[in-house]
Amino acid sequence: QKEVEQNSGPLSVPEGAIASLNCTYSDRGSQSFFWYRQYSGKSPELIMFIYSNGDKEDGRFTAQLNKASQYVSLLIRDSQPSDSATYLCAVNGASGGSYIPTFGRGTSLIVHP
Amino acid sequence: DVKVTQSSRYLVKRTGEKVFLECVQDMDHENMFWYRQDPGLGLRLIYFSYDVKMKEKGDIPEGYSVSREKKERFSLILESASTNQTSMYLCASSFRQETQYFGPGTRLLVL
Repeated sequence: QKEVEQNSGPLSVPEGAIASLNCTYSDRGSQSFFWYRQYSGKSPELIMFIYSNGDKEDGRFTAQLNKASQYVSLLIRDSQPSDSATYLCAVNGASGGSYIPTFGRGTSLIVHP
Repeated sequence: DVKVTQSSRYLVKRTGEKVFLECVQDMDHENMFWYRQDPGLGLRLIYFSYDVKMKEKGDIPEGYSVSREKKERFSLILESASTNQTSMYLCASSFRQETQYFGPGTRLLVL
């Protein structure tokens, strides 16, 4: 059984701070890693994806991947109240030739003014 | 832009009714997925399809069936709706192991 673990939170940070969201996964064969943001009542939307070990930056967001430790994280710099949402980590591996992502249950982030 | 649409945003059905939820994507994606999302339980995969007429069971297929007659369209069928199928249903599509694109969701209430 492939598992993706996230702390459910809520993670509460003040406006302007760095929010750090973490995710661990069980399947060493995982090949691609995604962070989605989901506002209440809405569907998930992609924030970032990462395939290789190391850091990947996009604006205020940085994804970090460590395959040896089976760990992926998302840093949000200069957090804004509009970043308040649930963040889903998804990990994708191959199963019988098809690609089925496994989602974590999400971390709720609250950015307070 | 990838667009995934779902036939209804809100549905109210009675116990025992047959329910059809339809999903259409416009990016020629091979993979299509149906999830349900419930508070505290996260996204749970019901079924997915990696090609026309191909389907595989996900984690919670009981009480559901699917149909994929055309590449762009993936339907979820509740053969006999029950109250425990009240949920948010999300459709998604992807190309191979790349990003999933989600539809807006259908909030289903079974009375």
